[in-house]
Amino acid sequence: NAGVMQNPRHLVRRRGQEARLRCSPMKGHSHVYWYRQLPEEGLKFMVYLQKENIIDESGMPKERFSAEFPKEGPSILRIQQVVRGDSAAYFCASSPPTGRETGELFFGEGSRLTVL
Amino acid sequence: GDSVTQMEGPVTLSEEAFLTINCTYTATGYPSLFWYVQYPGEGLQLLLKATKADDKGSNKGFEATYRKETTSFHLEKGSVQVSDSAVYFCALTPNTGNQFYFGTGTSLTVIP
Repeated sequence: NAGVMQNPRHLVRRRGQEARLRCSPMKGHSHVYWYRQLPEEGLKFMVYLQKENIIDESGMPKERFSAEFPKEGPSILRIQQVVRGDSAAYFCASSPPTGRETGELFFGEGSRLTVL
Repeated sequence: GDSVTQMEGPVTLSEEAFLTINCTYTATGYPSLFWYVQYPGEGLQLLLKATKADDKGSNKGFEATYRKETTSFHLEKGSVQVSDSAVYFCALTPNTGNQFYFGTGTSLTVIP
């Protein structure tokens, strides 16, 4: 029973390039969350998606960042025209439709983005 | 809105010392409360949880009791080990919807 799979684990980009981070939730999970963790800081919520819908994107910067969770395939967090301040670990988590009843988020191991 | 406030770190303890990491929350109704742990270089994993008032969550020697009167969910362990060195996150999910709110994390280092 595979867990939440994120790739790539490490990504290096130059300023101005695009970064695409992928997340495959656990089997049967239809809710995906993206969080950003900056060095020496806590976990910052970015966006919460269900299949084909963005439920809450209040934590996502208005420009350059976008997320999707299509009917088929992984969820993708896309960062356009990256800047050095985007360097961080990006974590994806998933939960089943009854997430609140089970009460648990399952996290991937994160994608570490470095912008040169 | 709903939120979690946890004690700032970093915390450094000697092996076998007693650990307390404070966590308080703000929420309407009856949220579920969690502690997650993040070991170096890894993602977060659930440590323990409590879904209603006065529940005690426990795992691996860690405990936390859901106190509605003080809106708290403090994490405790009677005797820490070097292997407990990690970052600990308090979190809640409200009684409606599927959003999860995390505290800023508390880094714990246990020295031999």
